[in-house]
Amino acid sequence: QVQLVESGGGVVQTGGSLRLSCAASGFTFSTYGMHWVRLTPGKGLEWVAYIHHDGSKKHYADSVEGRFTISRDNSKNTLFLQMNSLAADDTAMYYCAKPSVPTHGDFVNWGQGTLVTVSS
Amino acid sequence: EIVLTQSPATLSLSPGERATLSCRASQSVSIALAWYQHKPGQAPRLLIYDASNRATGIPARFSGSGSGTDFTLTISSLEPEDFAVYYCQQRNSWPPLTFGPGTKVDIK
Repeated sequence: QVQLVESGGGVVQTGGSLRLSCAASGFTFSTYGMHWVRLTPGKGLEWVAYIHHDGSKKHYADSVEGRFTISRDNSKNTLFLQMNSLAADDTAMYYCAKPSVPTHGDFVNWGQGTLVTVSS
Repeated sequence: EIVLTQSPATLSLSPGERATLSCRASQSVSIALAWYQHKPGQAPRLLIYDASNRATGIPARFSGSGSGTDFTLTISSLEPEDFAVYYCQQRNSWPPLTFGPGTKVDIK
């Protein structure tokens, strides 16, 4: 069965950086685009970023464009999110999510999430 | 960007009652709309995709309807485990993918 396991969250100061990872198993990772989605108590669910199965296309929410970078290593079945210039608004639970169809914008499978807290 | 609005913000009901949640899009999303359930401490769960199709393993008491700009999620008879926050999400026009602000279904 599909399993997604995020890691790398923690407490970071404003302006700092973190790199999140998502280890995938139970499906052919290299054939699926993948997403990062975050959940904040105040704003609910927010889509963050998407990467095509081969890394050839990437899309970002305006709120993270230029600060976050999504990437993947298909040889290791792992998705990444490099987060720079972190701000208080980035405090959230971050989930990686797999779509139903390789390029779809939906979220069928989710990891358990990794918590990012940005403090001043 | 397609903006989704959900109503009501909170729905207070008793187990066994029927829940009707609404989602409205700022422009047509055809049927490319999904519903998710989220409970504290858990990952969100896909309930409905393409407006009216139940995801794998979702009980028949959950149903979705609508097209264009107006959508409804109905829970025919609330079970204790259904008290949660529900989000709609569109994939018709992206980026960005967008979610509604959520409807909290709590126990009356």
